[in-house]
Amino acid sequence: SQQGEEDPQALSIQEGENATMNCSYKTSINNLQWYRQNSGRGLVHLILIRSNEREKHSGRLRVTLDTSKKSSSLLITASRAADTASYFCATGQNTGFQKLVFGTGTRLLVSP
Amino acid sequence: DTAVSQTPKYLVTQMGNDKSIKCEQNLGHDTMYWYKQDSKKFLKIMFSYNNKELIINETVPNRFSPKSPDKAHLNLHINSLELGDSAVYFCASSQGGAGGRNEQFFGPGTRLTVL
Repeated sequence: SQQGEEDPQALSIQEGENATMNCSYKTSINNLQWYRQNSGRGLVHLILIRSNEREKHSGRLRVTLDTSKKSSSLLITASRAADTASYFCATGQNTGFQKLVFGTGTRLLVSP
Repeated sequence: DTAVSQTPKYLVTQMGNDKSIKCEQNLGHDTMYWYKQDSKKFLKIMFSYNNKELIINETVPNRFSPKSPDKAHLNLHINSLELGDSAVYFCASSQGGAGGRNEQFFGPGTRLTVL
């Protein structure tokens, strides 16, 4: 399966703490994206990092990409209760029709 | 002003029935997708259309037939529904023909329950 793996599967932290989620994938990629899914809702795009980039920031989000290890991490700093959601990484493939392949997701719970 | 909308939001039906899910996007994108999310939250692409042309068909049973009447609409028709079809189906859209190169915008999902 091409599907990426995310680690941890679930993460529970207190408000104000940082949350780190990791994603590993298997194939050559064009880019890697992170999405958030609130319970019962659709996915919302957070950030995209291209294969020639190593780090990217957006507000409280910091994403790193290590193509040699085929892995990425998403750091959410100073978490809030509203950050409670599932987070998915998705890789844009370099072959075929360059579809997005989603990881297994990390469920983040931020307690007040 | 919803960007990607789907109807219905919930669909409960009996095995063997035929049902359709509709999707519309007002973002001016030229590529649209159908994804299936199972009970374990695995999200997998089913189909992709670019400018009304099918470009991805991920070995989905031919009971599933997508139809794109124009760039802004992508509907999904399912024949002879089976229990295993129960899932949440998401429509998405993006700009550009290479589906993995740009961010995708998702609809709210349609929760299909087959009894």
